[in-house]
Amino acid sequence: QVQLQESGPGLVRPSETLSLTCTVSGGSISNYYWSWIRQPPGKGLEWIGYIYYRGNINYNPSLNSRVSISVDTSKNQFSLKLTSVTAADTAVYYCARVCGADCFFAFDMWGQGTVVTVSS
Amino acid sequence: SSELTQDPAVSVAVGQTVRITCQGDSLRRYYASWYQQKPGQAPILVMYGKNNRPSGIPDRFSGSSSRNTASLTITGTQAEDEADYYCNSRASSGNHLVFGPGTKVTVL
Repeated sequence: QVQLQESGPGLVRPSETLSLTCTVSGGSISNYYWSWIRQPPGKGLEWIGYIYYRGNINYNPSLNSRVSISVDTSKNQFSLKLTSVTAADTAVYYCARVCGADCFFAFDMWGQGTVVTVSS
Repeated sequence: SSELTQDPAVSVAVGQTVRITCQGDSLRRYYASWYQQKPGQAPILVMYGKNNRPSGIPDRFSGSSSRNTASLTITGTQAEDEADYYCNSRASSGNHLVFGPGTKVTVL
């Protein structure tokens, strides 16, 4: 059974860079797309971006200038960096597997989520 | 504003049928997927494509699509189906993904 686990600091100072890692266990990171999604307190889900294990990347246009997603197949991990954070970036951050074109780019596996607060 | 729109809330009595809809121009070209999220939990996929249920999702959940509208129907709603439901699809551009704003389903 594939499992995803987010890790990283729970508190980030304004204007600094948010960095999170998602570790995939119970299966290979190969042959799938992997994504980051966030949910501000009391609000809905927002897609941040996805990366294919070979490196093809797409980002949410609203975050494109500040976001970077990378993958490390040797560690079965993928990572998120979001620069110049503000309080508006406070959210639960989820990593998720994208099951690809065969299942219409649905998010079929999710991590439990990690809370990131932006505050001084 | 979101590329996908959903009714904010809907209520249904136990045992009855509820349909949740998601509208957007991109749905004329791409299928939607549906997620159930209970308080304090990560979302789970309950429907994808035309009418595909992941393993473990009860068959009281069904999906459909017509023109620019995708629908998730719960037939014989149970108390445990009370949750927020989000649709998602590819954006009109095709390369990006988008979520609807979510529908809160209350089971009476």
